[in-house]
Formats: sequence, C-alpha cells, structure tokens
Amino acid sequence: EVQLVESGGGLIQPGGSLRLSCAASGFAVSRSYMSWVRQAPGKGLEWVSLIYSGGDTYYADSMKGRFTISRDESKNTLYLQMNSLSPEDTAMYYCAKLGSTRTMDYWGRGTLVTVSS
Amino acid sequence: ETVMTQSPATLSVSPGERATLSCRASQSVSSNLAWYQQKPGQSPRLLIYGASTRATGIPARFSGSGSGTEFTLTINSLQSEDFAVYYCQQYDNWPLCSFGQGTKLEIK
Repeated sequence: EVQLVESGGGLIQPGGSLRLSCAASGFAVSRSYMSWVRQAPGKGLEWVSLIYSGGDTYYADSMKGRFTISRDESKNTLYLQMNSLSPEDTAMYYCAKLGSTRTMDYWGRGTLVTVSS
Repeated sequence: ETVMTQSPATLSVSPGERATLSCRASQSVSSNLAWYQQKPGQSPRLLIYGASTRATGIPARFSGSGSGTEFTLTINSLQSEDFAVYYCQQYDNWPLCSFGQGTKLEIK
C-alpha cells in the first residue's frame, strides 16, 4: 500500500529556512516522479516542485531559487528545502506521487508551515 | 503560463440531482486535464485524468468531458459524500502544471 507522511512543518520567522520531509512506503521514491503542492489557508492548490526518477528537478517560478527538492534513496524520503521564507509561503504542504498518467495519484496528509514574526 | 479558470466558484445542488462544473484554460491543453476532489481537512483525491478517464475506484457517476480549452466535470445523482471542493489541473506543459481556483459544491 502506498503511503506518504509529511513532517517538518511549524512556525518560522520571515527570512528563515525549513526542511520538509515526506516519508514514503509501498514504493520507491527514487524510481518515481514526486511533487510538492501547497495550499494557503482557505485557498486553492498551487504546484511547487517536481523531481523526476532520473533526478531532474523543476519549480514554479515563485519558488525558483528559494526552494530545493531532493530525495534520499536509503531513507525512501522526499525533501523540500525552503529558504528566505515570507508570510506568503504560509500553507499546508503536500507531497504527491505521480503515476504513469502524469497526474498526482497519491497524496500525503500534509504538513503546515506558518511564516510569521 | 496556462491559467485555469473554474466556474462557478460555488454551486448549490440538491442530493440526487446532477452537478455540472466547468473549467477553462487560457490556451489549449489538449486532453491533459485532471480533476481532483478535496473534502474539508483532507488531502486532494484524483478523480479524472486525460479529461475523461476515471481514476481507479472512482464511481461511474463522475464523468469528465472536453478538450482544448473547455472542460466539464459532471456528477450524476449526487451523494452526501460528493459535497466538496473540486479542482481542475492542466499538465499539458508537464512537468510544469497549474490548478484552477476550485469550485465548492454545497448542499442546496
């Protein structure tokens, strides 16, 4: 059974950094396409980043240069390193596994990031 | 960047009736369109991909149609568990993608 469990969220001051984790089970992160999607409180979904099975990475324009997606094969875990955080980055962050149809077939429950002084 | 616009923002429908949700793309996305359902406090769930193919385990009362720039999600015989927020997503310029702002389907 595919499971995704995010962690690492919390309250962080503007300008700070945070690393989110997404522990996977039931499949190999290193052989999958994985994404991060965020949702600001009361708002819609916003795609953040994607990593190919081959390791190539992609970002939404507003996150490029500040966020870094990565993975650890030995821990079967996906990461999102977030730097220079601002209040606009406050959101629930979800990790998702993409299927062969290029859509997000499995989602975690999310981890909440709050950027505030 | 392809902008996805959903309408209406809120749709009120009675249980047992049919709901029709719309999604428009600012440029053609072919059939590279998905629909997701999100209930309060839950993560999104994939309903439809390829504009019209139901994902595994999705009931037949959910159907998708359209191509190019105009898409529709139809839910027949609404059940209580169908009242939720629905998002469309284009993945035509994959790996980049974008979501619509969502349509809240509420009980009339």
